[in-house]
Amino acid sequence: AQSVAQPEDQVNVAEGNPLTVKCTYSVSGNPYLFWYVQYPNRGLQFLLKYITGDNLVKGSYGFEAEFNKSQTSFHLKKPSALVSDSALYFCAVREDDYKLSFGAGTTVTVRA
Amino acid sequence: NAGVTQTPKFRVLKTGQSMTLLCAQDMNHEYMYWYRQDPGMGLRLIHYSVGEGTTAKGEVPDGYNVSRLKKQNFLLGLESAAPSQTSVYFCASSPWPTTDTQYFGPGTRLTVL
Repeated sequence: AQSVAQPEDQVNVAEGNPLTVKCTYSVSGNPYLFWYVQYPNRGLQFLLKYITGDNLVKGSYGFEAEFNKSQTSFHLKKPSALVSDSALYFCAVREDDYKLSFGAGTTVTVRA
Repeated sequence: NAGVTQTPKFRVLKTGQSMTLLCAQDMNHEYMYWYRQDPGMGLRLIHYSVGEGTTAKGEVPDGYNVSRLKKQNFLLGLESAAPSQTSVYFCASSPWPTTDTQYFGPGTRLTVL
């Protein structure tokens, strides 16, 4: 069974509007959660992570994510999207000491 | 620092041919990983290494072998390539296990005809 799910294949928003990319997880114990971004023809880049502590995590490029234990979610958010935020976004969860499980990815398109 | 580098960037193979993908990192990281990326499936872990001289199987290890003879290098081998191995391959490294960030290389696009 998939440990992490990204229910939307694509998200389209207008520049300047809020951006949300959804992620839900299914692991036992305390989850370690990550967001990565992939720009065209590039490797993945780390955006942010939740290990413990505050439920609102701030990351690179103005992104933040909110950990919600009761809803088992870790949605990625940005208050005002830029055209340059158009990319493929991956949510990931720790499976064990050495392995991450990645979601299928969500393609974000920000139109000018 | 170059970070994580991968060679080659592109390769086309015929079914049954063999090849080796090289991953190198200059960050002195203990942990290294090989993933494959296929449309709609995210990244799937092929093999990983927790240190020089050690390797372990990931989620989709069949048809692949790996070696970590030096701490900075992690090699992925395809002994007899199959069309199902057409994919984009990413290498990653991290200083600690999964509580820490993984640093990714730029990828190798492999086509098996």
